[in-house]
Amino acid sequence: GENVGLHLPTLSVQEGDNSIINCAYSNSASDYFIWYKQESGKGPQFIIDIRSNMDKRQGQRVTVLLNKTVKHLSLQIAATQPGDSAVYFCAENRDSGAGSYQLTFGKGTKLSVIP
Amino acid sequence: DARVTQTPRHKVTEMGQEVTMRCQPILGHNTVFWYRQTMMQGLELLAYFRNRAPLDDSGMPKDRFSAEMPDATLATLKIQPSEPRDSAVYFCASGLRGLQHFGDGTRLSIL
Repeated sequence: GENVGLHLPTLSVQEGDNSIINCAYSNSASDYFIWYKQESGKGPQFIIDIRSNMDKRQGQRVTVLLNKTVKHLSLQIAATQPGDSAVYFCAENRDSGAGSYQLTFGKGTKLSVIP
Repeated sequence: DARVTQTPRHKVTEMGQEVTMRCQPILGHNTVFWYRQTMMQGLELLAYFRNRAPLDDSGMPKDRFSAEMPDATLATLKIQPSEPRDSAVYFCASGLRGLQHFGDGTRLSIL
């Protein structure tokens, strides 16, 4: 049969604009969340993380927002640049309190920056 | 910057052959993970080690896949015999207290 791949959500933004990538997580007990960026031919690269006792964390040009009420995570990228074009994954850790550090990954969002 | 190193970066071989993929985790990290990434399934966890002991390999086909950590500086993932459906990119990640750092993967093609 026809090989159908994952249909990744795609976000196209103009260079210089802000980007917002969203992620819904499933387990209300998750207490640690990470955003990764994956460029073509490379492994996922850590961008920013946040623990469940926080609702916002800022890095260089990136901000992660956590809304535990609706189990929603977002990544905001300020002044998006062509080098930001990649697939972005959110990941949640469901059991760090018990010493399990397995991550559950979302399906990913493809960000395309228009020069 | 410390990095997870994976070898080989690319491997093409015929079905039925044994394939061994290697990973050097970041020094000091006590967890090691093997993932497989395909267009169909995305990123799947195959196996997970902590302090070199296997904790979870439920995502791995046991009849043909095996994962080991002979020492703290080396993790291996073997497929024997390989099949075309094993074609994918295989990632190793190492971590400490939850944050995982990934290598750049082994792109495996089984003909």
